[in-house]
Amino acid sequence: GAVVSQHPSRVICKSGTSVKIECRSLDFQATTMFWYRQFPKQSLMLMATSNEGSKATYEQGVEKDKFLINHASLTLSTLTVTSAHPEDSSFYICSAPSYLAGENIQYFGAGTRLSVL
Amino acid sequence: GENVEQHPSTLSVQEGDSAVIKCTYSDSASNYFPWYKQELGKRPQLIIDIRSNVGEKKDQRIAVTLNKTAKHFSLHITETQPEDSAVYFCAAYGSNFGNEKLTFGTGTRLTIIP
Repeated sequence: GAVVSQHPSRVICKSGTSVKIECRSLDFQATTMFWYRQFPKQSLMLMATSNEGSKATYEQGVEKDKFLINHASLTLSTLTVTSAHPEDSSFYICSAPSYLAGENIQYFGAGTRLSVL
Repeated sequence: GENVEQHPSTLSVQEGDSAVIKCTYSDSASNYFPWYKQELGKRPQLIIDIRSNVGEKKDQRIAVTLNKTAKHFSLHITETQPEDSAVYFCAAYGSNFGNEKLTFGTGTRLTIIP
């Protein structure tokens, strides 16, 4: 199947710093990518939809100034957690839809575990 | 928007027995229903999916059924094995113009007892 690469896999940072997470579709182009947040033992909560060449669409309750999304090319979307605080510690996962098999299937990155001290 | 409910939240099954996980969705426009398996600290992996024009789909020990009228779909795992232990998520995909996104259920932690 299609491959979505996400980096870094783990980041530990001090409170107040910004952290950038990259999501790449390796063997297909993605005009749309999705960013999720997952708390321990909970489900994936959609944060925002990243759109290539236009503004991201944020879900209700997600601060767009806090979670900056940039979809600069058809294979790369980035999520920047600005001025991170301990409550931002979580598992962040991106996904991208692939039509390689002729149907829309979502493929997920490996996730980024963010720990803010 | 779409709302997906999933039951049970935890499920323990003796090895070799069957496991069934059920989900309901609210948006009748949803037309694609994937199931994902997630192991601890790993990415969700697609294990099977079904589209709204099909009532049942099977892949070896895994099957999914869909009842569009009742807006519910189920995952069936037969002859369970220890490696089936994981968290399983159902999801519904809405194909509304400009609002194509997956809505996940709350997850089921499946434990296979050797």
